[in-house]
Amino acid sequence: SQQGEEDPQALSIQEGENATMNCSYKTSINNLQWYRQNSGRGLVHLILIRSNEREKHSGRLRVTLDTSKKSSSLLITASRAADTASYFCATDAGGAQKLVFGQGTRLTINP
Amino acid sequence: DTAVSQTPKYLVTQMGNDKSIKCEQNLGHDTMYWYKQDSKKFLKIMFSYNNKELIINETVPNRFSPKSPDKAHLNLHINSLELGDSAVYFCASSQAGLVGGDTQYFGPGTRLTVL
Repeated sequence: SQQGEEDPQALSIQEGENATMNCSYKTSINNLQWYRQNSGRGLVHLILIRSNEREKHSGRLRVTLDTSKKSSSLLITASRAADTASYFCATDAGGAQKLVFGQGTRLTINP
Repeated sequence: DTAVSQTPKYLVTQMGNDKSIKCEQNLGHDTMYWYKQDSKKFLKIMFSYNNKELIINETVPNRFSPKSPDKAHLNLHINSLELGDSAVYFCASSQAGLVGGDTQYFGPGTRLTVL
């Protein structure tokens, strides 16, 4: 069954605004990753947060992890048109030798 | 320089045919994967290989057979194609598998359409 579920499924905002996407998962994890997929392209790794970390930053990206709630959020600040893409969270489902992906949030940045 | 490459990018074929998709990575990674992404963008792992050895074989029909001639290549052969096989297939690689949570590097995808 699907491990991660992103919320919302689709998000449309104006350029310059902040975008927040959430991910919930079901089993314990060792780490959680966020990926971006531009239309017609492969997934690109954005950031990895380990289960003993609560927050991580990378440029305009901020990821939080709450293992007690089994949830994570991805915040993109000062959004740009180039941020338009689908964003996926993925977990290792507690050490399984695979990544389990959610269905993604489709983010549209309007100029 | 392309890190993970797949060929072909598009594949249109008739039901019942047999087709192959090739994947190559030049990152020196030990582990390679095949994923299937359906029309709703749901991405599911199919297989993974570590140093040419099959590690993961999810519940995939026997019509799908991966082959890894060396650790830089992982090909996917599909027999007797069905309409439901229509999807985008992604190859990916990672340094050493998921111990510790490896970052995965994805190819551009192969869009398979079965008519």
